[in-house]
Amino acid sequence: RKEVEQDPGPFNVPEGATVAFNCTYSNSASQSFFWYRQDCRKEPKLLMSVYSSGNEDGRFTAQLNRASQYISLLIRDSKLSDSATYLCVVIGSWGKLQFGAGTQVVVTP
Amino acid sequence: NAGVTQTPKFQVLKTGQSMTLQCAQDMNHEYMSWYRQDPGMGLRLIHYSVGAGITDQGEVPNGYNVSRSTTEDFPLRLLSAAPSQTSVYFCASRDDTEAFFGQGTRLTVV
Repeated sequence: RKEVEQDPGPFNVPEGATVAFNCTYSNSASQSFFWYRQDCRKEPKLLMSVYSSGNEDGRFTAQLNRASQYISLLIRDSKLSDSATYLCVVIGSWGKLQFGAGTQVVVTP
Repeated sequence: NAGVTQTPKFQVLKTGQSMTLQCAQDMNHEYMSWYRQDPGMGLRLIHYSVGAGITDQGEVPNGYNVSRSTTEDFPLRLLSAAPSQTSVYFCASRDDTEAFFGQGTRLTVV
């Protein structure tokens, strides 16, 4: 079983709609969680950290559920520019960054 | 503010050749790592380092060597390139709040 798992998608989303997807992690001792965005196999870039109490950054909301060991990302009022692959990143044992395979989001006009 | 500098951006190797991918960061991060990304596989950890003089294997270390003689530099060496090493490689360094990535190296082994 992979340590970090994501639904690969693609999630096809009409412009203006809301999309949400999850990421599960297997190491219950994981302490830090992030969502990264990756465009066309360019380098990943930080979208937002995920805090225990949940957090928002504009149209993006991240949640952490430690009991069920998953994090989620919700995108409201989707824009065409939100089309990308969203990577779930977990800091696991020995401080290693562990990545999910990514969830592809395609926003259509 | 350079961040993470990774070179080269593109490389074509013949099977059996060796090469070194360079990675340097100017943020004084202790933690650095190398990943490869293949279609549908996400980023897989090759090797990582938690400080100068300390390295360890990741998920897919075979065929690769690393060293960390300074905090700034973390080169990745391919000892004898194989077609299975055709991939996109990313170097990363991180602090407690964020990981920063190099621009990637697109490597083709023929």
